Amino acid sequence: LAKTTQPISMDSYEGQEVNITCSHNNIATNDYITWYQQFPSQGPRFIIQGYKTKVTNEVASLFIPADRKSSTLSLPRVSLSDTAVYYCLVGGEYNQGGKLIFGQGTELSVKP
Amino acid sequence: EADIYQTPRYLVIGTGKKITLECSQTMGHDKMYWYQQDPGMELHLIHYSYGVNSTEKGDLSSESTVSRIRTEHFPLTLESARPSHTSQYLCASSTKTGQSYNEQFFGPGTRLTVL
Repeated sequence: LAKTTQPISMDSYEGQEVNITCSHNNIATNDYITWYQQFPSQGPRFIIQGYKTKVTNEVASLFIPADRKSSTLSLPRVSLSDTAVYYCLVGGEYNQGGKLIFGQGTELSVKP
Repeated sequence: EADIYQTPRYLVIGTGKKITLECSQTMGHDKMYWYQQDPGMELHLIHYSYGVNSTEKGDLSSESTVSRIRTEHFPLTLESARPSHTSQYLCASSTKTGQSYNEQFFGPGTRLTVL
């Protein structure tokens, strides 16, 4: 499973756009890129997943360059409730049975 | 909302006791997982299951055991609890979406304290 590297922490203010970049230099051909959000004392929650180019849903956008060695999670107009830890994960191809490795994650702090 | 349940939510128990943490899902997912997480620390995969009668050890060595007799049920057992087992235990499940099982649904967790 490919290792990921992302910033330990980030600060932002309400209403700003937040971009969290993740490096995954050893990503395999069949690997997907997935982002999760976790609030204290809760289990992680799936945010978005992509394979290449750009993916957008009601919560976030995911930008993946052509070489797929990195990805950027974009959170538009964050609010205080977006304060959480964000995990970037790579892997989970079908023949691995969805096995994912959660790293340290990025602790996002949104201030008023 | 994901339909995955864990009981108990909180458990305080003495050293040497046998405990079973329950996890059930009503989504018919074939894959299920157990993670362990200490406060402010990373999640570590300790067990997973591809389906009924399938169990595998995860990346973090654990003294716990699991079973998968029914699709919806994936209990975790500690034969003799020790203080080092104090942690939060999170259960998750997933099914294949396209080529990926990456969308995992997590339960609320069981916070275990062993005295």
